[in-house]
Amino acid sequence: DSGVTQTPKHLITATGQRVTLRCSPRSGDLSVYWYQQSLDQGLQFLIQYYNGEERAKGNILERFSAQQFPDLHSELNLSSLELGDSALYFCASSGRQGSSEKLFFGSGTQLSVL
Amino acid sequence: GENVEQHPSTLSVQEGDSAVIKCTYSDSASNYFPWYKQELGKRPQLIIDIRSNVGEKKDQRIAVTLNKTAKHFSLHITETQPEDSAVYFCAASRGSSASKIIFGSGTRLSIRP
Repeated sequence: DSGVTQTPKHLITATGQRVTLRCSPRSGDLSVYWYQQSLDQGLQFLIQYYNGEERAKGNILERFSAQQFPDLHSELNLSSLELGDSALYFCASSGRQGSSEKLFFGSGTQLSVL
Repeated sequence: GENVEQHPSTLSVQEGDSAVIKCTYSDSASNYFPWYKQELGKRPQLIIDIRSNVGEKKDQRIAVTLNKTAKHFSLHITETQPEDSAVYFCAASRGSSASKIIFGSGTRLSIRP
């Protein structure tokens, strides 16, 4: 168990809808990262938050947004969903002293857009 | 921009044989090189990492080598076992934040019984 909690594990929705994915980082970690992994694809970095503030942005669509709350949990909001948004979405955390570069991944949320 | 290339994309080896996965990076300022293993349906997990001031690191059956001059690093798995079957991702980063990590495209390793 990595200590990173993601909910829900599975999400099935329709095109045009909006969903929210939730992530709780490891205790002591200040950074939360979101990655998208499409079928048989690599890990596409979406966005990073550090202690409540956006730190870095990757290939995140304008339809997607994220935030990190004072208790350090994070939410990824996906709106106007398209079929191509179906993917496994991972949250990862890091930042504990001495291991800020090591990513600890949650179990992921499998999103299916029908 | 920065890039990490990983080869091969798929690799099949006989159980007990060795497997080697190779990566090259473009950013000469990269100083941290982790490897992640992702079993089918599971999350990626860090299995070994190396920093730029070290040429080689071993942990039981896995080892990583780094050639800074060539900007090349490799993962070596010896005496492969069925549980080694997974997708392996190399990555390179600079600085102290994981946000600068660039992942390779992954290698699907299959171990034949």
